[in-house]
Amino acid sequence: GAVVSQHPSWVICKSGTSVKIECRSLDFQATTMFWYRQFPKQSLMLMATSNEGSKATYEQGVEKDKFLINHASLTLSTLTVTSAHPEDSSFYICSARVGTSGPGANVLTFGAGSRLTVL
Amino acid sequence: AQSVTQPDIHITVSEGASLELRCNYSYGATPYLFWYVQSPGQGLQLLLKYFSGDTLVQGIKGFEAEFKRSQSSFNLRKPSVHWSDAAEYFCAVGVPLGGKSTFGDGTTLTVKP
Repeated sequence: GAVVSQHPSWVICKSGTSVKIECRSLDFQATTMFWYRQFPKQSLMLMATSNEGSKATYEQGVEKDKFLINHASLTLSTLTVTSAHPEDSSFYICSARVGTSGPGANVLTFGAGSRLTVL
Repeated sequence: AQSVTQPDIHITVSEGASLELRCNYSYGATPYLFWYVQSPGQGLQLLLKYFSGDTLVQGIKGFEAEFKRSQSSFNLRKPSVHWSDAAEYFCAVGVPLGGKSTFGDGTTLTVKP
């Protein structure tokens, strides 16, 4: 159980266009999802916390107008990279909280990631 | 705020040898501790977790980790490494009340035949 599907797994786009990445919880409801960015050989950098039905909470230094997050249902969060530029090329990963309370709320299930290349 | 340090950036072991990956954390109370593994181009998979109780926890794929409060450590071990264990390993710390998890910088494991 607790599977998170992330789509697309890779995408190539032209500079100036927008790209949407989807993160779905397949067999559970995820009120909270997280979006990360990972550079090669580096750790995960938390970009934002996505809460169902409310605005996302962005980490310091992350441009909320550039990285639009929508969490309109309990099973789907989307990250849209607007007006993408080559420096936005990266590996983007989402995760979802499996539990809703107690220590289990800290257990995360991750998507397989999305490789974005902006030409 | 909590923090996590993985002192070893890269470790190479021979197949069949034992493995220990180090993780040190900083947090004022007992944190929730996790080890995740990431294969190239993939997301992270939970190996094991510690919340409370027995300080030696067993995980999937034959891994175990021991929580040592006196050393603020949560080292990951495996008695006999397989070639398929080659991957990136991340230690993470979470805090009560559903706070955000903080990840270490990761340790890359290479397994020699």
